[in-house]
Amino acid sequence: DQQVKQNSPSLSVQEGRISILNCDYTNSMFDYFLWYKKYPAEGPTFLISISSIKDKNEDGRFTVFLNKSAKHLSLHIVPSQPGDSAVYFCAASATGGYQKVTFGTGTKLQVIP
Amino acid sequence: GAVVSQHPSRVICKSGTSVKIECRSLDFQATTMFWYRQFPKKSLMLMATSNEGSKATYEQGVEKDKFLINHASLTLSTLTVTSAHPEDSSFYICSARGTSGFEQFFGPGTRLTVL
Repeated sequence: DQQVKQNSPSLSVQEGRISILNCDYTNSMFDYFLWYKKYPAEGPTFLISISSIKDKNEDGRFTVFLNKSAKHLSLHIVPSQPGDSAVYFCAASATGGYQKVTFGTGTKLQVIP
Repeated sequence: GAVVSQHPSRVICKSGTSVKIECRSLDFQATTMFWYRQFPKKSLMLMATSNEGSKATYEQGVEKDKFLINHASLTLSTLTVTSAHPEDSSFYICSARGTSGFEQFFGPGTRLTVL
């Protein structure tokens, strides 16, 4: 049972444009959400997170939006750069992040120069 | 930033042998360490959670006797794949969480190939 879903396995975006990666979750106990970036044969790198008490968190070119009623979150990258090409994992956790983290299946982003 | 290392980065072994993978937090004390496994084109699947000085908590479906986890110190956890078989071939990733927060810091992963 996949509690965190990323329905788009891949996404291609032109350099300079906006990349939007989507994530849906089913467990209503999740209250902390994270995005990780992963290059092949490397461990994930933390990008940005959001608590369920917020609906938006911004860090530089990265913004995460949370829609609790829809159990949906998205990561916006603007402007997209070729170095952003990687697999992006959405992850969720309960009790403010202290519970184990459940990962989505990942979306492979390719930013075309 | 917090750094987590894994050793080895890549290992090839024969079927039936045991392989040990080390996970170290280099610049912080990791009270909790996590072991994940990633299948090709799949998500990271949590295998077990280990707290320093206590037994690991395994996820459903993960064989405790097959995947031995030891977290003997605040900077080191080991995963031993016992009597490895080709189906154990995978990318194993550890993460560590310190005392000051909830964020997990991931190691670079270990590619295990069992022939």
